[in-house]
Amino acid sequence: EIVLTQSPGTLSLSPGERATLSCRASQSVNSNYLAWYQQRPGRAPRLLIYGASSRATGIPDRFSGSGSGADFTLTISRLEPEDFVAYYCQQYGSTPLTFGGGTRVEIK
Amino acid sequence: EVQLVESGGGLEQPGRSLRLSCAASGFIFDDYGMHWVRQVPGKGLEWVSGINWNGAAMDYADSVKGRFTISRDNAKNSLFLQMNSLRAEDTALYYCVKAGHSSTWYSFLDFWGQGTLVTVSS
Repeated sequence: EIVLTQSPGTLSLSPGERATLSCRASQSVNSNYLAWYQQRPGRAPRLLIYGASSRATGIPDRFSGSGSGADFTLTISRLEPEDFVAYYCQQYGSTPLTFGGGTRVEIK
Repeated sequence: EVQLVESGGGLEQPGRSLRLSCAASGFIFDDYGMHWVRQVPGKGLEWVSGINWNGAAMDYADSVKGRFTISRDNAKNSLFLQMNSLRAEDTALYYCVKAGHSSTWYSFLDFWGQGTLVTVSS
């Protein structure tokens, strides 16, 4: 099973700043099959990024994904007020599907 | 518009059973794999089980293997999760989720229901 470690656990930033979230896998993720999700309180997760760097439909271009192998990054170029929520990475390159423990972005 | 509506959650005693259902609409159901993902309130996401488009292939997390059974009825655009031998640690919000790729059920997850809460307690 691939273990995904997200860091930091909590990221404290101000609106307009750049956020950099890390997701590190315990082994290489096949074909860079890595996705990112955003989850607002009381809501279901929403797909942001798949295939490490492809934005899902309707996702603003301030969200971008990068990385390969076992090291992946979600970048939010300029934080909007609605971006201060939780983010999860997920790998789907091998069984079982696994999720990272999440990063919470909070207002500094 | 894709819609996934879960039902069947509730309070059940340890050792008992529950059957979750998910009604899907807004897409060609039998083109896609489907999954169940759970989340303890305030905690992270845990993949529970997945099934391919025709029900011929499925997989489970080790934590539920041998106790839970996933199935689907393509004629009724429905997904199910039969949960037996429930444990306190199965307490969570259970999401019905659509696979993003039509060619494989092992995929990113592009649409999520709102979830149904399962509470296991005596």
